[in-house]
Amino acid sequence: DTAVSQTPKYLVTQMGNDKSIKCEQNLGHDTMYWYKQDSKKFLKIMFSYNNKELIINETVPNRFSPKSPDKAHLNLHINSLELGDSAVYFCASSLGLASIQETQYFGPGTRLLVL
Amino acid sequence: AQTVTQSQPEMSVQEAETVTLSCTYDTSESDYYLFWYKQPPSRQMILVIRQEAYKQQNATENRFSVNFQKAAKSFSLKISDSQLGDAAMYFCASPPIGGSNYKLTFGKGTLLTVNP
Repeated sequence: DTAVSQTPKYLVTQMGNDKSIKCEQNLGHDTMYWYKQDSKKFLKIMFSYNNKELIINETVPNRFSPKSPDKAHLNLHINSLELGDSAVYFCASSLGLASIQETQYFGPGTRLLVL
Repeated sequence: AQTVTQSQPEMSVQEAETVTLSCTYDTSESDYYLFWYKQPPSRQMILVIRQEAYKQQNATENRFSVNFQKAAKSFSLKISDSQLGDAAMYFCASPPIGGSNYKLTFGKGTLLTVNP
């Protein structure tokens, strides 16, 4: 059974399009995250939700909008895609709010390529 | 400011040998966990080991162990009896200085090559 799953795994699209990436976890965790990994492999947090409530919103363009319909799902919608959005996007989850103490479990990543 | 530093962008080791990957961090937390994650070519981020900062004993998971020195804020990963499957990018992670308690900061990674 997949603990943290993401769809799609690959996404190729044109500049200016709008796209969504979906994430689901079946671990019963309360906290979920979105990370961006750039071409140099640098991994940086974008958003974090706890039980459907936004708790971390790093300096991310407002073209990126996370949505959590329930605590098992955290989707990422990106409007007006730009070339610089090309990256691997990882979803992760952890048991609770005290994430400094909780292990984060990662999804397989979604490789986004904007042409 | 970068709060997690991995000073070795690349390392290589012979199969069956031992290698140590270094990591230093800075945090304002007094009680925290530290993590090493592995990212093989498959891209999956896999937890290798974690250390509880209030424990003096170094964490060990099979061939993987850490050398945790809290005062020096150093958290190195030792891989013993290296195997070809250990080849991957390794990331160290810690809570950052100040700001939210609810996130981790990752280092820039060390690419480990295992030579047969």
